Amino acid sequence: EAGVAQSPRYKIIEKRQSVAFWCNPISGHATLYWYQQILGQGPKLLIQFQNNGVVDDSQLPKDRFSAERLKGVDSTLKIQPAKLEDSAVYLCASSYWDSLNTEAFFGQGTRLTVV
Amino acid sequence: SQQGEEDPQALSIQEGENATMNCSYKTSINNLQWYRQNSGRGLVHLILIRSNEREKHSGRLRVTLDTSKKSSSLLITASRAADTASYFCVGPGFQKLVFGTGTRLLVSP
Repeated sequence: EAGVAQSPRYKIIEKRQSVAFWCNPISGHATLYWYQQILGQGPKLLIQFQNNGVVDDSQLPKDRFSAERLKGVDSTLKIQPAKLEDSAVYLCASSYWDSLNTEAFFGQGTRLTVV
Repeated sequence: SQQGEEDPQALSIQEGENATMNCSYKTSINNLQWYRQNSGRGLVHLILIRSNEREKHSGRLRVTLDTSKKSSSLLITASRAADTASYFCVGPGFQKLVFGTGTRLLVSP
């Protein structure tokens, strides 16, 4: 079974630039999550999709972050414009239905450095 | 808050010793999951225990759950250097996976 694929693995941008991350979940997984993990902290949930609908985006800074899930499969997370404090690892995860009864599978993440 | 709070924040042991980390949470849960994160394999699910279970085993892992105290513990027996990682308890209550700050475990050879 192929895992959750994320790209790019690393990205360095200047502040005020824009950046996009891509995630391909495990086939058949209806739930997709995007997390932000700052060094030394636990992952922070940014947005959760169920198929192509948003279940929770309460912690997504909507003035600069946006996310979409195309046809209920792949997803992109965009930051525009980036700030220094956005430097973090962005993790994508997917699960079969929801977190009540099944485990989530995580990608290797995209490490973003904003300079 | 739906997130679990792990204790201790950091734990340092020698190979072969057992490691115990605890998790407390505030809301009712349907299940509680433990995840591990290290630089090699990323963030990986370890074990899930349901609210009607009190104990569960998986290899060298033993998880307990006390819903009356809203707490869980993860025991790693006969630890190895490869167990060095951060461990998170995740207590979804409402279709969310909310992580705390984790316990950083260091296992020295």
